[in-house]
Amino acid sequence: EAGVTQSPTHLIKTRGQQATLRCSPISGHTSVYWYQQALGLGLQFLLWYDEGEERNRGNFPPRFSGRQFPNYSSELNVNALELEDSALYLCASSPLMASPLHFGNGTRLTVT
Amino acid sequence: GQQLNQSPQSMFIQEGEDVSMNCTSSSIFNTWLWYKQDPGEGPVLLIALYKAGELTPNGRLTAQFGITRKDSFLNISASIPSDVGIYFCAGRPTGANSKLTFGKGITLSVRP
Repeated sequence: EAGVTQSPTHLIKTRGQQATLRCSPISGHTSVYWYQQALGLGLQFLLWYDEGEERNRGNFPPRFSGRQFPNYSSELNVNALELEDSALYLCASSPLMASPLHFGNGTRLTVT
Repeated sequence: GQQLNQSPQSMFIQEGEDVSMNCTSSSIFNTWLWYKQDPGEGPVLLIALYKAGELTPNGRLTAQFGITRKDSFLNISASIPSDVGIYFCAGRPTGANSKLTFGKGITLSVRP
C-alpha cells in the first residue's frame, strides 16, 4: 500500500511569490491534514480537510489556504511568501476523523 | 488553545539504557499518540492510546495514557542506536472537529 505522497520534495521561492504544495493521501483515506514544521517549533497545525470540506484551521493568516479534490488529494497554497514561511510542510491522512494520522515525508519550502 | 509540553528538548543516553519521556497538557484529551521522526522523513506513528490508564506496548516501547487525561508517558527499554530521532507526543480533545495538537518533540541521542 502506497503511503502519503507529497510533491515537490523541495521548493525554492523568493519573497512575495506564491507556492503550491500537493499531497496524495493513502488510498481509502478521506481526511487530509497540513502541518508546518519550522525549526525548533514542532508541528504547527495548518488545515484539515475531510470529504472536500474544511473541518478546522490553525492560527495562520489567510494567505495560507488549500483545498481537497474529489479524489481526496489536496493542495496547500501560500501567497505573498515571507522569509519565515521557510519550513517543512507535512501532509497527513487518516481513514476516519478520529483515527491516527499517517504522514508523508514533506515538502521543504525555502523562501529567499 | 491546547498546548502540549515536552521536556527536555534533548536527551542523551547510553546504548542499552532505558529512557522515559512524558507529555503534559493544560487540557483533557481523549486520544494520545506518540510519533517518531527520523531525519528527512515524516513522523511515524509508534503507539496510539484511547483510554485513561491504558498501557500499550510496541516491542521495546510502552506508552501510557495518564489517569488525569492530561498526560502521557513513553518508555523505551534497552535502547539501541536506531532509536535516535525526534519523539513527538500528540493529543486530541473531545469534539467532532477537534484537531490533533503536537508537542515540540524530544531529540533522543544514543551513545554506542
